Amino acid sequence: DIQMTQSPSSLSASVGDRVTITCRASQSINNYLNWYQQKPGKAPKFLIYAASSLQSGVPSRFSGSGSGTDFTLTISSLQPEDFATYYCQQSYSTPRTFGQGTKLEIK
Amino acid sequence: EEQLLESGGGLVQPGGSLRLSCAASGFTFSNYDMNWVRQAPGKGLEWVSRISESGDKKYYADSVEGRFTISRDNSKDTLSLQMNSLRAEDTAVYYCAKESRWYYYDSTYHYFDYWGHGNMVTVSS
Repeated sequence: DIQMTQSPSSLSASVGDRVTITCRASQSINNYLNWYQQKPGKAPKFLIYAASSLQSGVPSRFSGSGSGTDFTLTISSLQPEDFATYYCQQSYSTPRTFGQGTKLEIK
Repeated sequence: EEQLLESGGGLVQPGGSLRLSCAASGFTFSNYDMNWVRQAPGKGLEWVSRISESGDKKYYADSVEGRFTISRDNSKDTLSLQMNSLRAEDTAVYYCAKESRWYYYDSTYHYFDYWGHGNMVTVSS
């Protein structure tokens, strides 16, 4: 199974900050990488597919990059509604494993 | 509007059984693979199982293999998860998720674009 490791596990930031979350795969997954956002008590929301393609309706302040084993999710200017937990997921193979999550908190 | 509505969760004793259902609407259910994903209290997301469009291919996480069975009824737009021999570590919110595909040249990208609201399963005596 492919293991996905996110860093950091938690992050404190302020509104307007630029933040970057990293996701590393245990083997190459090309660009078969998705990102999700989850708020407390809610289902995950799909953000990005194919490492860098934004799902329709997702604000352009979100961006993704990477290929192979190393990937990043960047939020260019944090908004109050962005404070949540973010998960990466590989879709290269089944099981479609998730990272452990990165909790983005208000500083 | 695409919607997934789970039902069937609750409290069950260790060793017991429970059946979850997920009713789909707003899209052609039979055209999509479907998944179950769970989240233990205070923990991250864990993929549980996947079923192909027609139901002929089924996949399971090692942690549930042999105890859980995924199925679907395309005539009723319903996904199910039969959970047997339940353990305390199966306690979680269970989500059903629609798996969409994007085709780009010779590559096919899969992602979970719609999720149900989640259904709590508690395994405890």
